[in-house]
Amino acid sequence: QKEVEQDPGPLSVPEGAIVSLNCTYSNSAFQYFMWYRQYSRKGPELLMYTYSSGNKEDGRFTAQVDKSSKYISLFIRDSQPSDSATYLCAMESGANSKLTFGKGITLSVRP
Amino acid sequence: NAGVTQTPKFRILKIGQSMTLQCAQDMNHNYMYWYRQDPGMGLKLIYYSVGAGITDKGEVPNGYNVSRSTTEDFPLRLELAAPSQTSVYFCASSKGAGNNYGYTFGSGTRLTVV
Repeated sequence: QKEVEQDPGPLSVPEGAIVSLNCTYSNSAFQYFMWYRQYSRKGPELLMYTYSSGNKEDGRFTAQVDKSSKYISLFIRDSQPSDSATYLCAMESGANSKLTFGKGITLSVRP
Repeated sequence: NAGVTQTPKFRILKIGQSMTLQCAQDMNHNYMYWYRQDPGMGLKLIYYSVGAGITDKGEVPNGYNVSRSTTEDFPLRLELAAPSQTSVYFCASSKGAGNNYGYTFGSGTRLTVV
């Protein structure tokens, strides 16, 4: 079993839809959970960072962590064409700052 | 702030050639990383460094070498390039473990080995 599994894509939704992106993990040592957004031919950029179980909201984005189920999600409300990108989940144990990434999912928001 | 700067942006190498991918950051971050990204495969860690003079292997280090003589610079050396090294390479930096700033990535170097 891979350490981090991310739902395969691609994903295409109409503008205004609610998007749910998900990752599962197997390593109980992971304590820090992140979502990165990567536009085509660009480097990933940090979108959301969470430490504890529960929800964290930032504008139209909500990150959810369930440590008991080893499951994290990113919700995008009122999705916009500008949200079209690849989204990667990432996790860290905190011991050495090495991130383990999911494979990423490509989201396309249709106008 | 420039953040993380990678050069070159694109490069075509012939099999057996060598090259150095440059990475520089101006944020005084101690931690620096090199990843490669292949289509549908996510990001794989090649090497990382927790400070000047300290480097360690990641998940896919074979065929690569690194050095870290200063806090700012973390070059990646490819010796005897092979087609399997065709990829997009990203350099990243961070303040350290468990911080809430995550990684800052460069814009990548797109390398083709023919």
